[in-house]
Amino acid sequence: NAGVTQTPKFQVLKTGQSMTLQCAQDMNHEYMSWYRQDPGMGLRLIHYSVGAGITDQGEVPNGYNVSRSTTEDFPLRLLSAAPSQTSVYFCASSPGVGDTQYFGPGTRLTVL
Amino acid sequence: EDQVTQSPEALRLQEGESSSLNCSYTVSGLRGLFWYRQDPGKGPEFLFTLYSAGEEKEKERLKATLTKKESFLHITAPKPEDSATYLCAVYNTDKLIFGTGTRLQVFP
Repeated sequence: NAGVTQTPKFQVLKTGQSMTLQCAQDMNHEYMSWYRQDPGMGLRLIHYSVGAGITDQGEVPNGYNVSRSTTEDFPLRLLSAAPSQTSVYFCASSPGVGDTQYFGPGTRLTVL
Repeated sequence: EDQVTQSPEALRLQEGESSSLNCSYTVSGLRGLFWYRQDPGKGPEFLFTLYSAGEEKEKERLKATLTKKESFLHITAPKPEDSATYLCAVYNTDKLIFGTGTRLQVFP
């Protein structure tokens, strides 16, 4: 099993550009989530999904969109990047709600 | 408001010097408390899950305990390879809430 994979590892964007951060898991997990990690702020939940076709907002959803068309994939879209979205983004998955979440290696995003 | 607070923010230990990290939480419906280890540039790595007060889990030099208000991560005779940031998180219904972590440095 590859576990949770994320691409790209690094990305630099200009303000106003759009992009999609990819996340995939091969563990047949129902629950997937996106976090951002900023110095001194800890991990903050952006969006999450309890199963294919179901998504919901976390603590900091503004500026981000998600969809979950398959169990394996949970992409995170930035529609119009802003410097405030400079951060490290982690995707995680778990068998279900309340279970241990397993994290991907992260994507470091810089918005100029 | 649901909250997770970790202390201290940073901890420097000599190799072999045992200590404890604290995680205090306020959440309306605890479904589990999780400890993770995070190395620089990496994603969090799962260590322990605790579900009820009085529960304890151990792994090598680490031992996690849980009360109704807080959890401790005890590190016995740490080694330099234990240096990392340790994160605590609790589930509130369907969301995982993280503390800001304790950055541990162990010197030889």
